[in-house]
Amino acid sequence: DAMVIQNPRYQVTQFGKPVTLSCSQTLNHNVMYWYQQKSSQAPKLLFHYYDKDFNNEADTPDNFQSRRPNTSFCFLDIRSPGLGDAAMYLCATSRESSIDEQFFGPGTRLTVL
Amino acid sequence: GENVEQHPSTLSVQEGDSAVIKCTYSDSASNYFPWYKQELGKRPQLIIDIRSNVGEKKDQRIAVTLNKTAKHFSLHITETQPEDSAVYFCAANLYGNNRLAFGKGNQVVVIP
Repeated sequence: DAMVIQNPRYQVTQFGKPVTLSCSQTLNHNVMYWYQQKSSQAPKLLFHYYDKDFNNEADTPDNFQSRRPNTSFCFLDIRSPGLGDAAMYLCATSRESSIDEQFFGPGTRLTVL
Repeated sequence: GENVEQHPSTLSVQEGDSAVIKCTYSDSASNYFPWYKQELGKRPQLIIDIRSNVGEKKDQRIAVTLNKTAKHFSLHITETQPEDSAVYFCAANLYGNNRLAFGKGNQVVVIP
């Protein structure tokens, strides 16, 4: 029943080496979100797309970028990963920008060496 | 301070007893309050949500109550079962839109 798919599930990168995480969805939802979840902490919203409109959170570091080439796919780019960026990265979708259930993917666990 | 605070951080209950998790929020414009369950190594899944136009919502063994005046909402799980063991996150939408702020999570352990 995979509706929000994230690849890879586990990603290892080196300090400072750019890395891209991907998310795809089969729900045809307009909104896609990226969250960062560190160990034993709450998911923290980094940014989201409503259709092609990008919405960045004020406290999201410039090191994090995102692309959404079409409705189904969304990418998270970390330009220069630091040790503090090691976390679980969760993608989520919702139908509209109004209040609606968010469906989460299984996450990608990023390790920075 | 945090937009959403969640207490307690861990909760152990005997199978069959009830579990209650409380959250407070700070944004007066919040009008949507979902609860997510996250089992170890799995994705967060919505278990129940409530909008600000109602004070209580129930779905089988799970209920949520909302007190907008006091800015707090609670999750109630009755007749707990071992499969209820998980981390539970409360959330509130910021500025009345779709951006969610999550609480830090509550580890619920149901002891058989």
